[in-house]
Amino acid sequence: EVQLLESGGGLVQPGGSLRLSCAASGFTFSSYAMSWVRQAPGKGLEWVSRISGSGDSTYYADSVKGRFTISRDNSRNTLFLQMNSLRADDTAVYYCAKTISPGDHSKTFDYWGQGTLVTVSS
Amino acid sequence: DIQMTQSPSSVSASVGDRVTITCRASQGISSWLAWYQQKPGKAPKLLIYAASSLQSGVPSRFSGSGSGTDFTLTISSLQPEDFATYYCQQANSFSPTFGQGTKVEIK
Repeated sequence: EVQLLESGGGLVQPGGSLRLSCAASGFTFSSYAMSWVRQAPGKGLEWVSRISGSGDSTYYADSVKGRFTISRDNSRNTLFLQMNSLRADDTAVYYCAKTISPGDHSKTFDYWGQGTLVTVSS
Repeated sequence: DIQMTQSPSSVSASVGDRVTITCRASQGISSWLAWYQQKPGKAPKLLIYAASSLQSGVPSRFSGSGSGTDFTLTISSLQPEDFATYYCQQANSFSPTFGQGTKVEIK
């Protein structure tokens, strides 16, 4: 059974940093691209970042480029999101999501974690 | 970025009704479109991928159609557990984007 479990969310001041983790199990983690998707309170879904199965290729939404870094540790089946220079509009539930097909080209998400809430406020 | 526009933003319907939600892409995306269902406080759930393929375990009352720029999600006979918010998502470009969501409410 595929499971994705996020952690690391919390309250942080504007300009601060936070590192999110997503522990994966139930599939061959290194074979799948992974993404982070966020949802601000009462709002819709916004894709944040994607990383290839090997970790060699990364992609970011313009809204987080230069501030967030996605990475993965395939030996530990764990996905990360390092978030720096956080702003109030980064406040959201952050989901990690697995792509439906192995390889690096799929951008359809068949499994999602339960989400972790990041609140940026002074 | 490719913009995804859903309509309507909300719909009130009764159990047993047929419900149709449309999604339009700002440029052609072939069949690279997915539909998700989200209930309050829960993660999104994949319903349809590649515009018309039903995800494993999803009831057959859900169906998707379309290609290019215009897509449709149809629920053939609305059930109590279907009241939720539905999102389309394009999976064509390097930056996937979602529609703004359609909330299906009880009439």
